[in-house]
Order: sequence, then C-alpha cells, then structure tokens
Amino acid sequence: DIQLTQSPSSLSASIGDRVTITCRASQNILMYLNWYQQTPGKAPKLLIHGASILQSGAPSRFSGGGSETHFTLTISNLQPEDFATYYCQHSYTTLPYTFGQGTKLEIK
Amino acid sequence: EVQLVESGGLMVKPGGSLRLSCSASGFLFRGHSMHWVRQSPERGLEWISLISGDGSSTYYADSVKGRFITSRDNIKTSLYLQMTSLRTDDTALYYCARSNQAQSVGFDHWGQGTLVTVSS
Repeated sequence: DIQLTQSPSSLSASIGDRVTITCRASQNILMYLNWYQQTPGKAPKLLIHGASILQSGAPSRFSGGGSETHFTLTISNLQPEDFATYYCQHSYTTLPYTFGQGTKLEIK
Repeated sequence: EVQLVESGGLMVKPGGSLRLSCSASGFLFRGHSMHWVRQSPERGLEWISLISGDGSSTYYADSVKGRFITSRDNIKTSLYLQMTSLRTDDTALYYCARSNQAQSVGFDHWGQGTLVTVSS
C-alpha cells in the first residue's frame, strides 16, 4: 500500500497567517493527490484534487502544489473557519486509496 | 442539491452481521462510482470499498475483503454495505461518498456517517 505521511501533525497559527502542510508519499504518485478539510462532527470536505486543482466552491485562499512524492497544501490569510483537521489522500492507480494521518490546525 | 444519507449503524457482537444503506439524491446516481470510507480514532480515515456506476465492478481494502460486500440499486438510488464476521476493529463511523469525475479520484460529497460499534 502507498503510505502518506503528513507533517506537522498539529500546527498553531493566528488569523491572517499563511500556513503550509506537507504530505509525502511512499512512492511516486504523479499528481494523484487530494486534500480534505474536516471540522469536528462533520464529514471531510474535498478542497483540492489532482494536487493543485481547487474543488468547486472551495475558497481561493487554499492552494495545492507538488508532484511525485512531495505535496503541499497552503492556506493564505487564515480565517476562523479554517481551523480544522486536514487530510491528504492518494488516488494513484494502485488500490487501496489511502489517507494521511491528518494535521490539526489550531488557533494560537 | 447532492445528498447522501447513511443508515443501519448499530452495536453488534463480534462475529455478527450488519447491512448499511446510503440513500442518494440530487444527482445522476448511476453516473458516479461510489465509495465506503470509515473513520475511527485508531485507524483514522480508511477507504474500504469502491463500486462502479453500473455496479459491475467492486474493489475492497484487504482489511474487509471476503467479509464485506458492496452493492447498489440504481433504480432506488441506493448504495449498500453488507458486513459479516464483524470484528472489534471494524468499530468506526462509516461514510458513503460520491466519486468525483476528475482524473484524480476524490470523494466530492459525503454523507453524515453511521456509527457501527462491534463489542461483546
């Protein structure tokens, strides 16, 4: 199985800050990487697919980058509703699809 | 509006069986592959199965292969997960999720989840 490792596991930031979360894959997955946001008591919400394509309806302050084994999710100008847990997920041709362990973003 | 509503979650004993349902509305159901994803504190988010739009193809994670069966009824716009030989580590919140239609397969709509607890 393809392993996804996110860093950091948790992060404190302030409103208006810019933060970056990293996801590393155990093998080359080209651009087959998605990002989700999950708030407590809710299902995950797709933010980014194909490493850098913003999902319809997701705010433009979210951006994704990277390829092969190294990917990033950047949130610019943090808003109160952005404090949540973020997950990466691969969709490379090799099943199973797997998720990273999550990064919890908290208010400083 | 796309809506996915799961049901059927219960507390069951190890070795027991359960059938989850997911009722879909607001989109062309047969046009999308569908997935089951579960979440627990111990295992995090875990993809467990995929079924194609016409139901002809199914895929499973090794952790559930041979014990769980995914099916769908495109007339009733419903997705099902038949779970057998349940184990304590199957305890989780089970989500159904719609597959997007992009090159990078993602889950663009999720239900609210249904809780399965396996305990003696």
